[in-house]
Amino acid sequence: KNEVEQSPQNLTAQEGEFITINCSYSVGISALHWLQQHPGGGIVSLFMLSSGKKKHGRLIATINIQEKHSSLHITASHPRDSAVYICAVNYGGATNKLIFGTGTLLAVQP
Amino acid sequence: NAGVTQTPKFRVLKTGQSMTLLCAQDMNHEYMYWYRQDPGMGLRLIHYSVGEGTTAKGEVPDGYNVSRLKKQNFLLGLESAAPSQTSVYFCASSEGLGRIYEQYFGPGTRLTVT
Repeated sequence: KNEVEQSPQNLTAQEGEFITINCSYSVGISALHWLQQHPGGGIVSLFMLSSGKKKHGRLIATINIQEKHSSLHITASHPRDSAVYICAVNYGGATNKLIFGTGTLLAVQP
Repeated sequence: NAGVTQTPKFRVLKTGQSMTLLCAQDMNHEYMYWYRQDPGMGLRLIHYSVGEGTTAKGEVPDGYNVSRLKKQNFLLGLESAAPSQTSVYFCASSEGLGRIYEQYFGPGTRLTVT
């Protein structure tokens, strides 16, 4: 069992829909990251959070430390949001190492 | 700033051949990482470095070696390539010490071993 579980693995949405991607982890963490990877492309950090909620444009990330759960929301989805969204956790320590989920493949259809 | 760059972008090797992947960053970051990405699996850490002249093993180090002779460069070597090393390799860097930092990723190298 992966330490970082994402759901769903695949998601298809219509343009304009509200999208939620979930991430759960098994033990306490120092921070959680959401990353985006476009097909054939590099990986970009979207959010890093250790509590509460962060918002950037149409993207919102929340984390519940007690429940060991985070969500990434996309409002008014657009085809350009089609990508793999990856959750990763950081347990702290001196190395800043990340443990990654397997990603959620999102396709937004026009 | 170019951020994190990787060379080459694509490579095809035959079993038993060797090669070196180069990662360079211009952000003066202390920490650098090499990951591999395989279908259906999350990114997995191969080796990492917390400073010039230091390296350490990650989750899947077998078959790979690394060197960090200069702060801005992190090299990943395959001495005798195997088909199981067919993957997409990503380099990343981050600031280090004292707090949690986001990692900045390179564009990736797609390696096929036949």
